[in-house]
Amino acid sequence: EVLLAESGGGLVKPGGSLRLSCEASGFTFSNAWMSWVRRAPGKGLEWISHIKPNSDGGARDYAAPVKGRFIISRDDSKNTLYLQMNSLKTEDTALYYCATESNYYSGGSYYPYFFDHWGQGSLVTVSS
Amino acid sequence: QSVVTQPPSVSGAPGQTVTISCTGSRSTIGAGYDVHWYQLLPGTAPKLLIYGNNNRPSGVPDRFSGSKSGTSASLAISGLQAEDEADYYCQSYDSDLSAFVFGTGTKVNVL
Repeated sequence: EVLLAESGGGLVKPGGSLRLSCEASGFTFSNAWMSWVRRAPGKGLEWISHIKPNSDGGARDYAAPVKGRFIISRDDSKNTLYLQMNSLKTEDTALYYCATESNYYSGGSYYPYFFDHWGQGSLVTVSS
Repeated sequence: QSVVTQPPSVSGAPGQTVTISCTGSRSTIGAGYDVHWYQLLPGTAPKLLIYGNNNRPSGVPDRFSGSKSGTSASLAISGLQAEDEADYYCQSYDSDLSAFVFGTGTKVNVL
């Protein structure tokens, strides 16, 4: 059974930093494309970042609202995904989910597709 | 900023069929990207309901079905049950943003 368990959320002041972790089990983490998705209070889901396997170059992408402030990383020896969040803003307040990504193969390359397994989320509150 | 639009809410009585629309643009659904659907119940992890426009993962009842045409997609829930009361989101990809995009979300109310 695939399990994803987020941790590290909490209350932080604007301008502060926080690191989220996502411990994975039940699948070969080192081969997995992984993402972070968030849901702000009263708002919808928002994809924020993903990372490819190291065997695939470990490329990372970010959504515009967090680019330059958040850093996604992975430790395959610990089956753990991370999200380092810096220069936090009140609008970053949200429930943060980690998710496994399914991809599809076309024309010699793999492309991101959908999210097949999700954790229950870790709540981040940015407030003074 | 990409916007994929869903109705804020839909309602139906037990046993009825409800349909949720998901309207994209030329850079999302209209560009040929597939649509996927998720169910969010309070306090639980989001669940993949439909992938690749109309495919159900193992364990998802066949009461849930998806379709796609042009720049839009839809999710139908037939034989509505009380346990279907939840938030539903469509998801695709945006070629202009090079990013995953989610719909605005729809609350399904079972009367």
